[in-house]
Amino acid sequence: EALLTQSPGTLSLSPGERATLSCRASQSVSTTYLAWYQQKPGQAPRLLIYGASRRATGIPDRFSGSGSGTDFTLTISRLEPEDFAVYYCLQYGDSAFTFGPGTKVDIK
Amino acid sequence: QVTLKESGPVLVKPTESLTLTCTVSGFSLSNSRVGVSWIRQPPGKALEWLAHIFSTDETFYSASLKSRLTISKDTSKSQVVLTLTSVDPVDTATYYCARITVGWLVYMDVWGSGTTVTVSS
Repeated sequence: EALLTQSPGTLSLSPGERATLSCRASQSVSTTYLAWYQQKPGQAPRLLIYGASRRATGIPDRFSGSGSGTDFTLTISRLEPEDFAVYYCLQYGDSAFTFGPGTKVDIK
Repeated sequence: QVTLKESGPVLVKPTESLTLTCTVSGFSLSNSRVGVSWIRQPPGKALEWLAHIFSTDETFYSASLKSRLTISKDTSKSQVVLTLTSVDPVDTATYYCARITVGWLVYMDVWGSGTTVTVSS
């Protein structure tokens, strides 16, 4: 199964700035099996992106996903105050799931 | 409305078994397009997938925990049960269940709010 790494570990930005988060897999991942989640303190993760680039229901269009193969990206075009959180990528392969270690987006 | 709710003990002693229940509503566990997964998150750490089960009763486990985990479901009760044997303080975590959407796309779309379990004597 593919192992996932995420970079950077922490991203310090100001509201209104663009955030680019990376998720890299140790082997090729099908785009149909790659998802992104947002987690705020004390809350369960929330699905943002599935199928690498499809926004989940109710997710603002400032969130976008892209990538293929081993390199995937989550972009937040303009950070809103509520976007400061931890973001995880998730892949499914060989009948198993793997989460990345997460990227924390905090306020600069 | 699709919801999942985890339940189980708050405190478990080392070497004992931990049994958690996920009660779902808004969908059926017999639906071939869904499954249910268990995920945990130790305090301050990342998410870790543990196991999942499909409508066919096919089960899959994390390789690192496979010998200690059992997942099962009772479709009539809309419940998925996870048992973790021989617990240790490192098993202290918030445990989540999540619905898996299955098809040409696979992803966990709806999550429970989680249940926090502490392993301590």
